[in-house]
Amino acid sequence: DQQVKQNSPSLSVQEGRISILNCDYTNSMFDYFLWYKKYPAEGPTFLISISSIKDKNEDGRFTVFLNKSAKHLSLHIVPSQPGDSAVYFCAASVGRTSYDKVIFGPGTSLSVIP
Amino acid sequence: GAVVSQHPSRVICKSGTSVKIECRSLDFQATTMFWYRQFPKQSLMLMATSNEGSKATYEQGVEKDKFLINHASLTLSTLTVTSAHPEDSSFYICSAPRTSPPPETQYFGPGTRLLVL
Repeated sequence: DQQVKQNSPSLSVQEGRISILNCDYTNSMFDYFLWYKKYPAEGPTFLISISSIKDKNEDGRFTVFLNKSAKHLSLHIVPSQPGDSAVYFCAASVGRTSYDKVIFGPGTSLSVIP
Repeated sequence: GAVVSQHPSRVICKSGTSVKIECRSLDFQATTMFWYRQFPKQSLMLMATSNEGSKATYEQGVEKDKFLINHASLTLSTLTVTSAHPEDSSFYICSAPRTSPPPETQYFGPGTRLLVL
């Protein structure tokens, strides 16, 4: 039973345009959501997070939106750059500390075309 | 920023041998570390939580006698894959939580690619 879903395995976007990566979850107990970026043969790197009590968090070119009623969140990257090409994992945890277990989605591979 | 290292980065071994993977937090102490594995084109699956000074906590379906975890110090956790078989071939990644300075999050190692022949 997959608690965190990313239904698009891949996404291609033109450089300069907006990239929108989507994520759905089933566990209403999740209260912290994270996005990680991963290059091949490397570990994931933290990108941005959002608490369940908020609906938006912004950090530079990255914005995460949370719709709790729909159990849906999305990551917007504006403008997209070729260096953004990577696999993006949506993740969630019950609890808001870094010691809480994190459940990962299957990932979306983003390709930003120059 | 925080750095978590893993050694080795890749290892090839024969079936039946044991392989030890090290995970180190380089500039902060970690009383807890997490071990994940990732199969090709799949997500990271949490295997176990490593606790300094006590036994590791394993996720459902993970054999604790197969995957031995030792959290020897505040900066080192090891995962030993015992009597490895080809189905154990995978990408193993560790992470360590850091609370300060912000953001509080888990920092991941670069991973270890294990190939069992």
